[in-house]
Amino acid sequence: DGGITQSPKYLFRKEGQNVTLSCEQNLNHDAMYWYRQDPGQGLRLIYYSQIVNDFQKGDIAEGYSVSREKKESFPLTVTSAQKNPTAFYLCASGQGDLSGANVLTFGAGSRLTVL
Amino acid sequence: RKEVEQDPGPFNVPEGATVAFNCTYSNSASQSFFWYRQDCRKEPKLLMSVYSSGNEDGRFTAQLNRASQYISLLIRDSKLSDSATYLCVVLNNAGNMLTFGGGTRLMVKP
Repeated sequence: DGGITQSPKYLFRKEGQNVTLSCEQNLNHDAMYWYRQDPGQGLRLIYYSQIVNDFQKGDIAEGYSVSREKKESFPLTVTSAQKNPTAFYLCASGQGDLSGANVLTFGAGSRLTVL
Repeated sequence: RKEVEQDPGPFNVPEGATVAFNCTYSNSASQSFFWYRQDCRKEPKLLMSVYSSGNEDGRFTAQLNRASQYISLLIRDSKLSDSATYLCVVLNNAGNMLTFGGGTRLMVKP
């Protein structure tokens, strides 16, 4: 089955530690996205990548970093510079123009808690 | 002003009721519009796209008013399984970026 796999599903981190969230897709999508969701809030865009070896900052990129070395993979690192990293992180992929039939497919999410 | 605004609710309705959600967007050049459904602690999933002429999918009807920059979702004959958060989503004019509203929570009671 084609889809997006995020891991880990739950993660606990001590303050000051970096942590990397994995996102893998086998949908052959060119574009991949990372969103953050806080309780009772909508999704906010952290980073996105429309092609391998290229990525752009979203609305809340500070304290995060990404890489896109392979089409299938778009890992997100939450660095110690991120002041409030506890949140639900969602990875998504899409193919080209997102209008109409080409919509985003989401992974099941990673829930990060900083202790 | 937020780019996409929704009433967070919750909307508490009995089974069988009709309920409507509205969403306003600030960018008049926005290209496409969607409603996503998100269950508690799960990922969002596409419910339906919103077309200029309005569209219906079973008990769900979506409408777009470009002049007033709002979209709506109408749910008829509410079921317990409709309980979720409904996210209004707007695609930018470049066709490569989705902006999500904060969501409207619906709770359908027996």
